[in-house]
Amino acid sequence: GAVVSQHPSWVICKSGTSVKIECRSLDFQATTMFWYRQFPKQSLMLMATSNEGSKATYEQGVEKDKFLINHASLTLSTLTVTSAHPEDSSFYICSARDGSSGGALRTDTQYFGPGTRLTVL
Amino acid sequence: DQQVKQNSPSLSVQEGRISILNCDYTNSMFDYFLWYKKYPAEGPTFLISISSIKDKNEDGRFTVFLNKSAKHLSLHIVPSQPGDSAVYFCAASRGDKIIFGKGTRLHILP
Repeated sequence: GAVVSQHPSWVICKSGTSVKIECRSLDFQATTMFWYRQFPKQSLMLMATSNEGSKATYEQGVEKDKFLINHASLTLSTLTVTSAHPEDSSFYICSARDGSSGGALRTDTQYFGPGTRLTVL
Repeated sequence: DQQVKQNSPSLSVQEGRISILNCDYTNSMFDYFLWYKKYPAEGPTFLISISSIKDKNEDGRFTVFLNKSAKHLSLHIVPSQPGDSAVYFCAASRGDKIIFGKGTRLHILP
């Protein structure tokens, strides 16, 4: 159990275009999903937290109009990088948590997707 | 301001020996600590965790020790195996938010 997928695994786009990354929990309901960004040789930095059906909570310094997050269902969250620029090139990772009581998974553990490598030319 | 610190960027250990990865934290409000393993170009994989009310948690070859007074935790892997070569992230959480350290790259030598 606890499989989280991301699509695409890598994407190359031109500067100024928008890119959508999907994060799916395959075998559990993700009441909360998280989006991280990792720069080379750096730690994972939390960008935002989203709960199903409500607006995402963004970390300080993260532009919510640039990084649009939608958590429309208990198994899917999307991150859209709008008007991408080369400095947005990074490794984006989502994670999901099953916070519902009675679920089979630990409610306090995040399960990570495989990540999406974004390169903006 | 790094709340979770992994001061060793890399560690090399002979196969079969014990690997000890260390982590320090600054925020005494953290109530849960986790270790994740990560291969290149993949997402982190949860390894083991420990609640702040405990001082030890063991799962197979992996044991995590927590010293709250020193704000220090460590991950012990014994015996170390070639497949353990990866980057290990220490993380601390309070509520929903998880704060990660920068990671320690573990090399298991044949």
